[in-house]
Amino acid sequence: GESVGLHLPTLSVQEGDNSIINCAYSNSASDYFIWYKQESGKGPQFIIDIRSNMDKRQGQRVTVLLNKTVKHLSLQIAATQPGDSAVYFCAENNNDMRFGAGTRLTVKP
Amino acid sequence: DAMVIQNPRYQVTQFGKPVTLSCSQTLNHNVMYWYQQKSSQAPKLLFHYYDKDFNNEADTPDNFQSRRPNTSFCFLDIRSPGLGDAAMYLCATSREPGTGLHGYTFGSGTRLTVV
Repeated sequence: GESVGLHLPTLSVQEGDNSIINCAYSNSASDYFIWYKQESGKGPQFIIDIRSNMDKRQGQRVTVLLNKTVKHLSLQIAATQPGDSAVYFCAENNNDMRFGAGTRLTVKP
Repeated sequence: DAMVIQNPRYQVTQFGKPVTLSCSQTLNHNVMYWYQQKSSQAPKLLFHYYDKDFNNEADTPDNFQSRRPNTSFCFLDIRSPGLGDAAMYLCATSREPGTGLHGYTFGSGTRLTVV
């Protein structure tokens, strides 16, 4: 079946570096995507979203890129900080929210 | 602040003993969802209520049921918990089903342990 998934289960970066977290989706009809951050013991927290009529969207220190040709989504975090350490999920939102497998980001001091 | 509140944060129940998890929201959202999240896995949708209409996922076990007595509250009932039901249970809300602004609002979850 069609699903949303992530390329890498873990990512370790140095504090201050930029982070890139990737996501592949297979449902070409998907038109809305969301990145969530989940810290240990907490529920997912909205980071940024993008609709399929856009290629790029920027927030504060975060950028989401959407490549519809290859059905790929990425989250870029600039100047990664220790507080960014968490699991990041991409999600596809049509009639309900379907999550990918998640990537655990660890920021080294 | 408007939010989604789950109680309790941690719940321990005995194998086979019915347990109920609760969720309340002050957002006045029409839709409430229950997700199950096992360790190191993505949240998995169990079911949702759109107002009073209940929508069950096809692969949600019969052991899981839900009630929504009013707009603000939604309950997850596990009739006979097994060891495999130990997980974090997340409640979420959205104003409307489908493509909602900023996605869903999640509670902090209830971590269920079955002994």
